[in-house]
Amino acid sequence: NAGVTQTPKFRVLKTGQSMTLLCAQDMNHEYMYWYRQDPGMGLRLIHYSVGEGTTAKGEVPDGYNVSRLKKQNFLLGLESAAPSQTSVYFCASSYLLGSSYNEQFFGPGTRLTVL
Amino acid sequence: GENVEQHPSTLSVQEGDSAVIKCTYSDSASNYFPWYKQELGKGPQLIIDIRSNVGEKKDQRIAVTLNKTAKHFSLHITETQPEDSAVYFCAASPSDRGSTLGRLYFGRGTQLTVWP
Repeated sequence: NAGVTQTPKFRVLKTGQSMTLLCAQDMNHEYMYWYRQDPGMGLRLIHYSVGEGTTAKGEVPDGYNVSRLKKQNFLLGLESAAPSQTSVYFCASSYLLGSSYNEQFFGPGTRLTVL
Repeated sequence: GENVEQHPSTLSVQEGDSAVIKCTYSDSASNYFPWYKQELGKGPQLIIDIRSNVGEKKDQRIAVTLNKTAKHFSLHITETQPEDSAVYFCAASPSDRGSTLGRLYFGRGTQLTVWP
């Protein structure tokens, strides 16, 4: 199993450009998440999905959109990139909860720089 | 929503010493508390977790304690080694079946450095 993979690993954008980050998981997980990590801020949830075709806002959703058309994929879109979106982006996935146990499996991250 | 505070933000110890990282949470509905380790250039990885019906859990050199009354939990690493150097995150997860189900709320992280 590849686990959680993210594409691309690095990207540099100019202000106003758009791009899509792709996350894929092969563990048949229902839940998927997008986080951003900034120095001293920990991991902040952008959007998440509790199943195919569903998405929900996290703590910092502004400026981002997501789609979950297939169970194994979760896409994060930036329509008009801003320097404040310079960050490292992590995707994660977890099993459907039957209890509160919720280990999240993380991808390797995408380092995005917006000039 | 849940608010998780983590201290210290940086921690330096000599190889062989112990390291302790502490977290507090605000939501009494939280009942799952994992700890993640993030090595340089990688994504976070679960190293140990504890559920609210347990007060302490050990796995070799690492242990986690939970005090639900005081709403705090801690990570203890004994006999530290240079390969323990990483960023450690605590998190809390509410058990209610509303919009927060499935979410983890993370602390801001602790950079642990173990000097040989």
